[in-house]
Amino acid sequence: KNEVEQSPQNLTAQEGEFITINCSYSVGISALHWLQQHPGGGIVSLFMLSSGKKKHGRLIATINIQEKHSSLHITASHPRDSAVYICAVKGGGNTPLVFGKGTRLSVIA
Amino acid sequence: DAGVIQSPRHEVTEMGQEVTLRCKPISGHNSLFWYRQTMMRGLELLIYFNNNVPIDDSGMPEDRFSAKMPNASFSTLKIQPSEPRDSAVYFCASSLYDEQYFGPGTRLTVT
Repeated sequence: KNEVEQSPQNLTAQEGEFITINCSYSVGISALHWLQQHPGGGIVSLFMLSSGKKKHGRLIATINIQEKHSSLHITASHPRDSAVYICAVKGGGNTPLVFGKGTRLSVIA
Repeated sequence: DAGVIQSPRHEVTEMGQEVTLRCKPISGHNSLFWYRQTMMRGLELLIYFNNNVPIDDSGMPEDRFSAKMPNASFSTLKIQPSEPRDSAVYFCASSLYDEQYFGPGTRLTVT
């Protein structure tokens, strides 16, 4: 079974700071997801990636398949980025996601 | 498309009562997942279906939990009898390929 570790568990940043959240997993995957969960609970998919790097606005996600590691970066952080960010990995086929425990980010104005 | 629809959004019930949670996946998706989220354990898979067939129910806590998917557009998760430790947010998600789309969740409180 895949184990997914995220770090840090909690992160407080000042508005404008560059933020990095890390995710490591233990076995091969077909895809890695970064999810965002705001207070109030809705879960939104930010990225799904299997190699390289993806960018959407101020968010950048990278993955290193050989090292079994992914990072989520937020540039010019803003209080509205405050949320829990969850890393999840997926094996092949229609298999379920295995989740990390999440990183709780608070961005202070 | 309206996305994944879950009902009810909130449920408060007394210990021992039966609880039924409902999910309508996105039309055309062939996989459906039930997850549970608690503060202590985070997000956990309970069961998932592929083409309406249960594939992996190893995450279902015990016999009190059951899930059905009678057709491609509807699934239920039933807890009978409910216990206070079942209090959590229950998410349904659906997918066609790798990307999963989550419903808004049902917040269950068992007193």
